Amino acid sequence: EAEVAQSPRYKITEKSQAVAFWCDPISGHATLYWYRQILGQGPELLVQFQDESVVDDSQLPKDRFSAERLKGVDSTLKIQPAELGDSAMYLCASSLSIAGSYNEQFFGPGTRLTVL
Amino acid sequence: DAKTTQPPSMDCAEGRAANLPCNHSTISGNEYVYWYRQIHSQGPQYIIHGLKNNETNEMASLIITEDRKSSTLILPHATLRDTAVYYCIVRRRSGGSYIPTFGRGTSLIVHP
Repeated sequence: EAEVAQSPRYKITEKSQAVAFWCDPISGHATLYWYRQILGQGPELLVQFQDESVVDDSQLPKDRFSAERLKGVDSTLKIQPAELGDSAMYLCASSLSIAGSYNEQFFGPGTRLTVL
Repeated sequence: DAKTTQPPSMDCAEGRAANLPCNHSTISGNEYVYWYRQIHSQGPQYIIHGLKNNETNEMASLIITEDRKSSTLILPHATLRDTAVYYCIVRRRSGGSYIPTFGRGTSLIVHP
């Protein structure tokens, strides 16, 4: 069964360092989502892509976070510099959805980030 | 913006039905309600979605009130493996797009 792949699964870094997370969605899924989930809370959408275009990044802290999906397939989320408050699970999801409709989101296993 | 309200926690005996409520009083007329669950340390998993009519699949049933202001997810025969956080989700409008919005969810504990 096709799955969303994420790497690394765990990342420990010191504050002020740069970190990057990678996501490979299910083949053929045009929409890709990056979420941040702080312990005890629900996932918060950071950025949503439709193919290579950003659909929404209103919750992305753009002073330190960036996301790209250059060829409309896999995606990278970067944090520079990392802060203590960035410690969280970073989840990637993909779906077949097209504008105005909705399809099931398939989530990856996530990357657990710890900032020391 | 549409948002949802769920009880923070519930418990249920194994083999009994688990009924998980959700309030979404600000949902727009053409927007669906979606349910996901998240088992500890895993990514969320889709369960079911609906618009107006009640829906059923192999995992659960979804009952939506006639005014669409609330819904209930029903796990007819809960098992220990159904212990998870359950999220009721609606989408918010952002420009020309619709953005899924998770709340804090309901932590369901199924006990023997």
